[in-house]
Amino acid sequence: DGGITQSPKYLFRKEGQNVTLSCEQNLNHDAMYWYRQDPGQGLRLIYYSQIVNDFQKGDIAEGYSVSREKKESFPLTVTSAQKNPTAFYLCASSTDRGRPHRQPQHFGDGTRLSIL
Amino acid sequence: AQSVTQLDSQVPVFEEAPVELRCNYSSSVSVYLFWYVQYPNQGLQLLLKYLSGSTLVKGINGFEAEFNKSQTSFHLRKPSVHISDTAEYFCAVSDLRGTSYGKLTFGQGTILTVHP
Repeated sequence: DGGITQSPKYLFRKEGQNVTLSCEQNLNHDAMYWYRQDPGQGLRLIYYSQIVNDFQKGDIAEGYSVSREKKESFPLTVTSAQKNPTAFYLCASSTDRGRPHRQPQHFGDGTRLSIL
Repeated sequence: AQSVTQLDSQVPVFEEAPVELRCNYSSSVSVYLFWYVQYPNQGLQLLLKYLSGSTLVKGINGFEAEFNKSQTSFHLRKPSVHISDTAEYFCAVSDLRGTSYGKLTFGQGTILTVHP
């Protein structure tokens, strides 16, 4: 079955540590997205990528970094500069052919990051 | 800039009763609209979308939504809810501007709780 796989499901970070969240998709989608979800705030866009080797900052990119070296992979690094990283992180993808704004995004099951 | 407001953060309802989850948006351009559902500790699943045409859109699990351009609303309805509909629901708007195409702006979410 095609889908998006996020790993790990739960992750713990120590102070001053960088951690990387994995996102892999086998949907052959061009566009990929990272969202942060906090209770009562909905989803906020961190980074997105429309094609390989290209990505743009979303609304809350500070303290995060991404790479897009392969079409199917879009890892997110939460750096030590992110002072409040505890949240639920969701990866999504959508086909970017034709009219991308018409395409719904498909989501992974998320990674819950906590601070030790 | 676009914004989405979900007017109720929590909606309790009894099983088999009808329900309406309200969503208003603001945008200076034409928009595409989406409703997603999220079950605990999972990603988001698409319920329905409005792109053009009939303003009444039918989705999965018996949900429907009506696009009202004059009131800039996209309310979600179900005539008879089931216990399994208990989840958080998100309204989202597609961004059509420039290089941001394909980006979604989400509302804060509405937690629907169905009581027996």
